[in-house]
Amino acid sequence: KAGVTQTPRYLIKTRGQQVTLSCSPISGHRSVSWYQQTPGQGLQFLFEYFSETQRNKGNFPGRFSGRQFSNSRSEMNVSTLELGDSALYLCASSLEGMTNEQFFGPGTRLTVL
Amino acid sequence: GNSVTQMEGPVTLSEEAFLTINCTYTATGYPSLFWYVQYPGEGLQLLLKATKADDKGSNKGFEATYRKETTSFHLEKGSVQVSDSAVYFCALLRSNDYKLSFGAGTTVTVRA
Repeated sequence: KAGVTQTPRYLIKTRGQQVTLSCSPISGHRSVSWYQQTPGQGLQFLFEYFSETQRNKGNFPGRFSGRQFSNSRSEMNVSTLELGDSALYLCASSLEGMTNEQFFGPGTRLTVL
Repeated sequence: GNSVTQMEGPVTLSEEAFLTINCTYTATGYPSLFWYVQYPGEGLQLLLKATKADDKGSNKGFEATYRKETTSFHLEKGSVQVSDSAVYFCALLRSNDYKLSFGAGTTVTVRA
């Protein structure tokens, strides 16, 4: 069974731009969660999607948004990029939600210049 | 609030040494506790978990016991290998809103 895939793996953007990251969950998994990992703040929960609906949300500004498609694939969008948005963005999928085991992808490394 | 505090690294050990990584938590309700491991260049992998007090999670020689009286979930391994070199994260799943909170991570390096 293929694991969680994330594209692209690396991305370089400049301040003010926007970016879209993609996550394909494990087949059959309906829940997708997103996390931001930085040296200073560690791993922080962004949001969780289930059946195309945002079910849970962390404490991030509205510049961070996401969506989920009918095939459970998910995208995360960050608008008006700031230097502090440079991070590893991790996606995790699970069968039904956070009480099930989370399977993480390798992440997308975003650098904002 | 709910939070996880784990010992700061980095931790450097020799092969076959005993490893302990301390993790304590503050939480309301009855959280589930996890240890995740991140190998270089990879995403996180679930190492073990415990969902209620006194549960012991174990996997690949690692163990951790959910201690409600001390609000702790310390990770231990009796004899580490070079392949155990990684970053280890303690995490808590809140029972009221099902948000996953992570500790800062502890980098472990095992030398041959």
